[in-house]
Amino acid sequence: AQTVTQSQPEMSVQEAETVTLSCTYDTSENNYYLFWYKQPPSRQMILVIRQEAYKQQNATENRFSVNFQKAAKSFSLKISDSQLGDTAMYFCAFMKPYTGTASKLTFGTGTRLQVTL
Amino acid sequence: EAGVTQFPSHSVIEKGQTVTLRCDPISGHDNLYWYRRVMGKEIKFLLHFVKESKQDESGMPNNRFLAERTGGTYSTLKVQPAELEDSGVYFCASSQEKAAISYNEQFFGPGTRLTVL
Repeated sequence: AQTVTQSQPEMSVQEAETVTLSCTYDTSENNYYLFWYKQPPSRQMILVIRQEAYKQQNATENRFSVNFQKAAKSFSLKISDSQLGDTAMYFCAFMKPYTGTASKLTFGTGTRLQVTL
Repeated sequence: EAGVTQFPSHSVIEKGQTVTLRCDPISGHDNLYWYRRVMGKEIKFLLHFVKESKQDESGMPNNRFLAERTGGTYSTLKVQPAELEDSGVYFCASSQEKAAISYNEQFFGPGTRLTVL
């Protein structure tokens, strides 16, 4: 079974600064997907960024980037130039690849990020 | 295109009562998932439908929970009788069934916050 651990329940960052959210996971799989989801207050959860385990290059999406360390089973999210709209709950998640049927997500406990002026 | 919708957004019931949650997936999405987040904990998988069939119900906590997806469209999750520990946010997600790709992105609904008193 897979487990995902987020050790930072809450974090705060000032607008325009950079913040890094941590995530570690445990799996015996060699191929898998890792995700960061964002849930703003009272809004739907949306996918922020995805990383395929077989790709060594770290994924980036505009101000969001990841530091994927497969051997260490670490998958941190870096948010650059933080904006007030980044205030949200962030969940790290794991998924096994499609093998004839779609897979479920395994989530961490989440990190609540507050962006301040 | 409409996203995943869930009804109700909030439900407050007393212990022993019955509650039914509804999820309408994105049109054309064969995969439908139910997840639950108990306060402060991780989001946990409950079950997965492919069309009207239960593909994986390994996360269902006990037989007080009954999920259905008649006709392969919307799904309902009934809790009967509700207990205090059933309180939490119930999320629904849907994804396409594409055998040609290695993963299927899950799109989440806003969740139903269930409070059992």
